[in-house]
Amino acid sequence: NAGVMQNPRHLVRRRGQEARLRCSPMKGHSHVYWYRQLPEEGLKFMVYLQKENIIDESGMPKERFSAEFPKEGPSILRIQQVVRGDSAAYFCASSPGLPALGNEQFFGPGTRLTVL
Amino acid sequence: AQSVTQLGSHVSVSEGALVLLRCNYSSSVPPYLFWYVQYPNQGLQLLLKYTTGATLVKGINGFEAEFKKSETSFHLTKPSAHMSDAAEYFCAVRANAGNMLTFGGGTRLMVKP
Repeated sequence: NAGVMQNPRHLVRRRGQEARLRCSPMKGHSHVYWYRQLPEEGLKFMVYLQKENIIDESGMPKERFSAEFPKEGPSILRIQQVVRGDSAAYFCASSPGLPALGNEQFFGPGTRLTVL
Repeated sequence: AQSVTQLGSHVSVSEGALVLLRCNYSSSVPPYLFWYVQYPNQGLQLLLKYTTGATLVKGINGFEAEFKKSETSFHLTKPSAHMSDAAEYFCAVRANAGNMLTFGGGTRLMVKP
């Protein structure tokens, strides 16, 4: 059973470009979470999605950031008009069910975004 | 609201010595507590977790942690450090009905030969 897949592993963008980060959850998992890790810091929650629904986006910046998890295909984290401060590692995690039931989150290897 | 504090961003021990990584949390509701390990350029791997029941939790690679409600702590220990334990360790908390993990700032463990 393959783990959580993220691609690309490394992404370089110039200021003002768009960044698209993809996450394929583990087989059988329908819950996806995105976290951001700034240099020398811990992970910060961004958004929690189930298939076709955003459940909790309390950690998402209000502008330029969006996320989706379509019925078919991977979850996408999209950052428009990137700025240098967006440079970070973005981690995706998935779980098989509701967090309240104690379901563990499994993390992917991350996408390291560098904005020039 | 919840938060996690990891005391000591860097900890250095000798191979074979005791490992102690500190974690204190605050949570307005009974928490679920986690320790993750991150090796360079990799994702996070779960070491152990506390949900309910026994307060001493054993994890992978010989690590264990004890939930102490009175001290709001969940310190991670290992009796004898191995070179392969060198990594970054993150403590995290989640409200039992919550969606997200709240992470501490991490502790980088270095193991000297």
